[in-house]
Amino acid sequence: AAGVIQSPRHLIKEKRETATLKCYPIPRHDTVYWYQQGPGQDPQFLISFYEKMQSDKGSIPDRFSAQQFSDYHSELNMSSLELGDSALYFCASRYGTSGRYEQYFGPGTRLTVT
Amino acid sequence: DQQVKQNSPSLSVQEGRISILNCDYTNSMFDYFLWYKKYPAEGPTFLISISSIKDKNEDGRFTVFLNKSAKHLSLHIVPSQPGDSAVYFCAASAVEGGGGADGLTFGKGTHLIIQP
Repeated sequence: AAGVIQSPRHLIKEKRETATLKCYPIPRHDTVYWYQQGPGQDPQFLISFYEKMQSDKGSIPDRFSAQQFSDYHSELNMSSLELGDSALYFCASRYGTSGRYEQYFGPGTRLTVT
Repeated sequence: DQQVKQNSPSLSVQEGRISILNCDYTNSMFDYFLWYKKYPAEGPTFLISISSIKDKNEDGRFTVFLNKSAKHLSLHIVPSQPGDSAVYFCAASAVEGGGGADGLTFGKGTHLIIQP
């Protein structure tokens, strides 16, 4: 079965640079979530989109922005990168926004800021 | 403040025995709970979930119990197998029936080690 695809899998950037992470949800899933997992930490919810509209916002820094496109893929744009942004970034998708529909996670993008 | 707590960072269980992973939560608005399993270098994999209107949900070797009054849930794996060795995350959501793509709130995870 098709899973959530994230690209790139690994990314190395320098401080103050910009990074773009991409997420391709499971086919027919219309809801996308972004999470950040720091070393030894639990995944922290950043932002979500439903039908191309921002739906909920968590602990996402103002330096970050995201959007969902007409084909339901999503991109997380990160500017003015800081050392503390080094983390695993997971994308998850699900169908709809209510009911007992679990979120399915991608393999993650490991971002290293030097 | 950690709203979902997994107080055991690690748990070691002998193969064939029962593994019990515990999770506590503080937010009374949570009404849907999930367990995810995570291997190194992979994303969390959905395992089993339970709605607050139930107190038990079973799927093969995995059973989740919910005690709403105590704000406590547990995941039972029986019998435990070597492939069960992974980090298990408890997660909660307040989205059941409410609409809106609310993010999940995760615990810090428990590293389960199944010994042969």
